[in-house]
Amino acid sequence: GIQVEQSPPDLILQEGANSTLRCNFSDSVNNLQWFHQNPWGQLINLFYIPSGTKQNGRLSATTVATERYSLLYISSSQTTDSGVYFCAVDTGRRALTFGSGTRLQVQP
Amino acid sequence: DGGITQSPKYLFRKEGQNVTLSCEQNLNHDAMYWYRQDPGQGLRLIYYSQIVNDFQKGDIAEGYSVSREKKESFPLTVTSAQKNPTAFYLCASSMGQGYGYTFGSGTRLTVV
Repeated sequence: GIQVEQSPPDLILQEGANSTLRCNFSDSVNNLQWFHQNPWGQLINLFYIPSGTKQNGRLSATTVATERYSLLYISSSQTTDSGVYFCAVDTGRRALTFGSGTRLQVQP
Repeated sequence: DGGITQSPKYLFRKEGQNVTLSCEQNLNHDAMYWYRQDPGQGLRLIYYSQIVNDFQKGDIAEGYSVSREKKESFPLTVTSAQKNPTAFYLCASSMGQGYGYTFGSGTRLTVV
């Protein structure tokens, strides 16, 4: 099956800093999503982005499908951004396959 | 408000017992999914259903069973055959392939 690798596994930032999270995948995809899991376990869909660039407030994402990677940018980070960020992909055959996540801690 | 509801939030089970986790959605989504998450890990696919009365095994289906008799409901049964059932279980739904997923708030199952 498809492999999804996320980096870095852990990230600690000071409030106000910017960061870039990366997701590499091993096959062509027709669905790529970024999720944020809060400390209570709730998963929130941030972006549906199989290709191209999207922005939503302080967050933006870019997927370069031909090179099989996606980037999630967080600008002016806040403590509420803390949690785990997951990248998940689907080749069109069934359901999303998740990476192991990037655990982000934003310190005040 | 439309959404996806999982119940209960916490569940304790004795070894050897079957237990059923509920997942209900009122988003009119065709597809539903069950994932398992262990501490510090990503999500692994247990079962998924693209349409009513049809479902497929995911990567870790052994010891689990599902049904999809109604579009709104996709219950998961954790059977006594599941060797290590203690985990966080997440249900999701979507309009189908190529659409975003909406997740429920999860059920934490502990075997005592």
